[in-house]
Amino acid sequence: QITLKESGPTLVKPTQTLTLTCSFSGFSLSATGVGVGWIRQPPGKALEWLSLIYWDGDKRYNSSLKSRLSITKDTSRNQVVLTMTNMDPTDSATYYCAHKVRSGGYYDPWGQGTLVTVSS
Amino acid sequence: QPVLTQPPSSSASPGESVRLTCTLPSDIPVGGYNIYWYQQKPGSPPRFLLYYFSDTDKGQGSGVPSRFSAYTDTSANTGILLISGVQSEDEADYFCAVWTRHVVFGGGTKLAVL
Repeated sequence: QITLKESGPTLVKPTQTLTLTCSFSGFSLSATGVGVGWIRQPPGKALEWLSLIYWDGDKRYNSSLKSRLSITKDTSRNQVVLTMTNMDPTDSATYYCAHKVRSGGYYDPWGQGTLVTVSS
Repeated sequence: QPVLTQPPSSSASPGESVRLTCTLPSDIPVGGYNIYWYQQKPGSPPRFLLYYFSDTDKGQGSGVPSRFSAYTDTSANTGILLISGVQSEDEADYFCAVWTRHVVFGGGTKLAVL
């Protein structure tokens, strides 16, 4: 059974850097084709894809946020870390990490998500 | 502004069939991409339902009932999620997605089961 869980601060101040950790089990991020992605969702709004890291270290970013995002993995600890710089109140959202399946372009399953509020 | 256009709301009575649409921009031809569908209930993360490329290339998520299916309308450049025999538990938000250079999502449709 694959599970993922996000952790990090619930409140950050404007201009600060957000660091979120995705801890997962039930799969290995060294297995060919596998990836872990990050998606966020402002309250009551649509999903927005942020970033993806593949088993081989290949990294992808949302082009509109690329300058602010960084994604890394620690395969031995089964963790993926996302950092987002220069946080703004409009970045307030639930942040999800999710398992990208080996042979498809979809995410299944997702973590429960962590709500991050940006406020002074 | 989501790239994929979904009507914000839809409704159906139990037992009816309902079609939820996802219109792609003209530069993303629906016949050239997998369309992914997710279901999200209040307070829960999205759940992968299924994907559709063609009648011979499609897939159902684990444990997803067969009453959920999909197809495309190439003339309207639209993907369609069909829920046959809607049940009260199907009341949720439904998001479509396409993988181009990266994943793009629709704005979501809130389905009410009346």
